[in-house]
Amino acid sequence: DGGITQSPKYLFRKEGQNVTLSCEQNLNHDAMYWYRQDPGQGLRLIYYSQIVNDFQKGDIAEGYSVSREKKESFPLTVTSAQKNPTAFYLCASSPGGLKTDTQYFGPGTRLTVL
Amino acid sequence: EDKVVQSPLSLVVHEGDTVTLNCSYEVTNFRSLLWYKQEKKAPTFLFMLTSSGIEKKSGRLSSILDKKELFSILNITATQTGDSAVYLCAVSHSGSARQLTFGSGTQLTVLP
Repeated sequence: DGGITQSPKYLFRKEGQNVTLSCEQNLNHDAMYWYRQDPGQGLRLIYYSQIVNDFQKGDIAEGYSVSREKKESFPLTVTSAQKNPTAFYLCASSPGGLKTDTQYFGPGTRLTVL
Repeated sequence: EDKVVQSPLSLVVHEGDTVTLNCSYEVTNFRSLLWYKQEKKAPTFLFMLTSSGIEKKSGRLSSILDKKELFSILNITATQTGDSAVYLCAVSHSGSARQLTFGSGTQLTVLP
């Protein structure tokens, strides 16, 4: 089946630890995105990538890092520098370019810092 | 700064009611407005609107965009308990990355 997968579904982290959230897509989409969602709030953009080996900061990139070594993969690392990392993280992909603005979302990872 | 405001923040109705959700925006170089439905996990795409006055319709859901007044509405007729979700509005602006700016959502609860 075509789609976007994220793992793990739930993640617990101790303060001071880095953790990496996985995002994979087999839709052959060029663009990929990471969002953070806090309770009662909309989605805020962390990082995005339009092509392999290239990515840009979104609105709240501090304390996060990403890589885009393969078209289908866009992992997000939450570093110890992120002061309040407990949130729901959503990955999305889009065909990119001028084709459409529609983004398709994965099921999300809920990160809790203990 | 781009801004998307949704109202109401939450809404409780009974099955069979009709609801109207609102989304207003202030975005530089507007390109399109999108509606998503989020039930606990991944937002699922509903509509994308780019032109004023053209209604997009899918079953009991419909949406229309007013580019002059900078808002959109999402209508749901004959609501069902399965319509209970957070409805998100997002706006994209012209540029290379097709970034979306999201509103905070409307929590819709449909009671039996």
